[in-house]
Amino acid sequence: AQSVAQPEDQVNVAEGNPLTVKCTYSVSGNPYLFWYVQYPNRGLQFLLKYITGDNLVKGSYGFEAEFNKSQTSFHLKKPSALVSDSALYFCAVTPDQKVTFGTGTKLQVIP
Amino acid sequence: EAQVTQNPRYLITVTGKKLTVTCSQNMNHEYMSWYRQDPGLGLRQIYYSMNVEVTDKGDVPEGYKVSRKEKRNFPLILESPSPNQTSLYFCASRPLARKYNEQFFGPGTRLTVL
Repeated sequence: AQSVAQPEDQVNVAEGNPLTVKCTYSVSGNPYLFWYVQYPNRGLQFLLKYITGDNLVKGSYGFEAEFNKSQTSFHLKKPSALVSDSALYFCAVTPDQKVTFGTGTKLQVIP
Repeated sequence: EAQVTQNPRYLITVTGKKLTVTCSQNMNHEYMSWYRQDPGLGLRQIYYSMNVEVTDKGDVPEGYKVSRKEKRNFPLILESPSPNQTSLYFCASRPLARKYNEQFFGPGTRLTVL
């Protein structure tokens, strides 16, 4: 069975500082990993994904994520946080047609 | 505009009264899926469909039914809703060809069962 863990319910960061939102996974076979963002009263939007190849994946809005196979992690990062980045972030894994999401991390960027 | 639509967006109902939440996509995607979002639990997959007349259970299928008679539509049916099905529901779609394709999500349906 596959699983995703987002160990932090909330992350607070000052505007302009780097941010990291953590995700670890457990899966048999090749992990296809995703990050999605949910703004208040909206559906989820795709940010980036890891399929294979480079461990550093770049996505929308300046976000990137680092895949680490030995630590089974896929942390989301951004060099300089914006207030508009405040939202709920979900990590997801799909080795097959089923999709498993993490519990979500609320990112609060403080002006 | 490419989109996934859901109706209704908000619904308050009573225990046992059958209801259907519709989902439609205009991107010709083969794969469609339903999720429920609950605080502290994230999104959990209810059912998914890989094409017309092909559906399969996700992680939390109990109490739900789905059908896929047309490629663009994937309704979620609650035949006898109960209060523990109060939740925020999302429909999503993607091309089937590669399972690492990202999903496109609808705006959500907030369901309250009294």
